[in-house]
Order: sequence, then structure tokens, then C-alpha cells
Amino acid sequence: AQSVAQPEDQVNVAEGNPLTVKCTYSVSGNPYLFWYVQYPNRGLQFLLKYITGDNLVKGSYGFEAEFNKSQTSFHLKKPSALVSDSALYFCAVRDVTSNTGGFKTIFGAGTRLFVKA
Amino acid sequence: GAVVSQHPSWVICKSGTSVKIECRSLDFQATTMFWYRQFPKQSLMLMATSNEGSKATYEQGVEKDKFLINHASLTLSTLTVTSAHPEDSSFYICSAGGLNTEAFFGQGTRLTVV
Repeated sequence: AQSVAQPEDQVNVAEGNPLTVKCTYSVSGNPYLFWYVQYPNRGLQFLLKYITGDNLVKGSYGFEAEFNKSQTSFHLKKPSALVSDSALYFCAVRDVTSNTGGFKTIFGAGTRLFVKA
Repeated sequence: GAVVSQHPSWVICKSGTSVKIECRSLDFQATTMFWYRQFPKQSLMLMATSNEGSKATYEQGVEKDKFLINHASLTLSTLTVTSAHPEDSSFYICSAGGLNTEAFFGQGTRLTVV
């Protein structure tokens, strides 16, 4: 079964500094990997995805992530953090559940990012 | 990106009553939608996969008679929490999206059962 792990419950970073939110995955077959962000009392917003192609994926709001097959990682990064980036971040993997196209998304536990001014 | 609208955003109901939550795909057709439940400071727990024109597929441990899912059209899935109790209070989120695309999420519904 597919799974995804976010080892950090919380990440603290000062505004203007680079940030990294870690994610590792376990899949059978090719991984479909995603990052989402959630603000309080809201649904999730898509940031970026890796399905195929370049290992470095660029997404919304200046975020990027690097797919590393050997380390089975898909860490989220941003060169310069903003206070407004403070939110809950979820890494996710797509799990294909049937030969007829059935699937579901498996989410990590989430990492809360605090950016201090 | 595609838009998924979820309604209501919040609801308070009395114990024993039923509550219906709607999830609509506004600018695309969704043969499959997903319903999640999220407890405070926790991840999303998949409750069920809603399939247009057929029965929903429930995850292990989710009571299908308590959480009724109907996906009668390609743009609407509903989740009805029947005979709600305070332990059903939670944040419920729906999503839609294809195998090779990102998921598009509704805004979420905060259910409080008193």
C-alpha cells in the first residue's frame, strides 16, 4: 500500500529565510506526489505535483519541490519565507486501487509552518 | 483550476437530527468525488469514495448507514450525517479530480452537534 510520511509536526522559520518541509513516500510503481496547503477552517489548496518529467517541480506562491527517487523524498521548499506562508502543509500520494481506474489520495499527517516576522 | 463548492460552510444541529452536506463541481464533471473528515490538528481521513450512479465505497470503520452518500449527477455529491451525535462534530471536506490531476477541494463544512 502507498504511504507518505511527514516527520515534522511543526517547522519554524524566520521571514526571509529559506524553508523546507519534509516528505518521504513509499509506493509500488510510479509515484504520483502532491503538496497541498490548508488555512484555518478552509479546504486544501493545491501547490504542486510530480507525476513525471523534471525532478524539480515549481508550483504556486513560489514553492517548489524536488522528487528524489533514491531517497524516496519529495520535500517542499521556498527560497524566502513570508509570514503569510504560515499554514498547515500536507504531502500526498495517489494510490491506484483498481485496474479500472479507481484511485484515492493518501495524505501525510501534516506539518504546521510558522513564519516569524 | 477547477472549482468545487461545498455547502454549508458551517452547521449546528441538535443530537438525533440529520444534516446534509452538498459538494458541487462547478465547471467540470466529476464521476468520482471523495469525502474526508478532519479532526483538529490532524490529517484528512478518507471516509468514502462517491461514484456517480452507483454506490459509494466506504473506508474500513466508516458506518455507511450513518454517513449516507448520494452521487446522483456528475456535478453533485451529498453526504448526510444521520442521527447526529456530538462525537460526529468535525470538519468535513469533499474533493474531486482525476487520476492524473490534482484534487480540487471544497471549502469544508464545520459540523457541530449539540
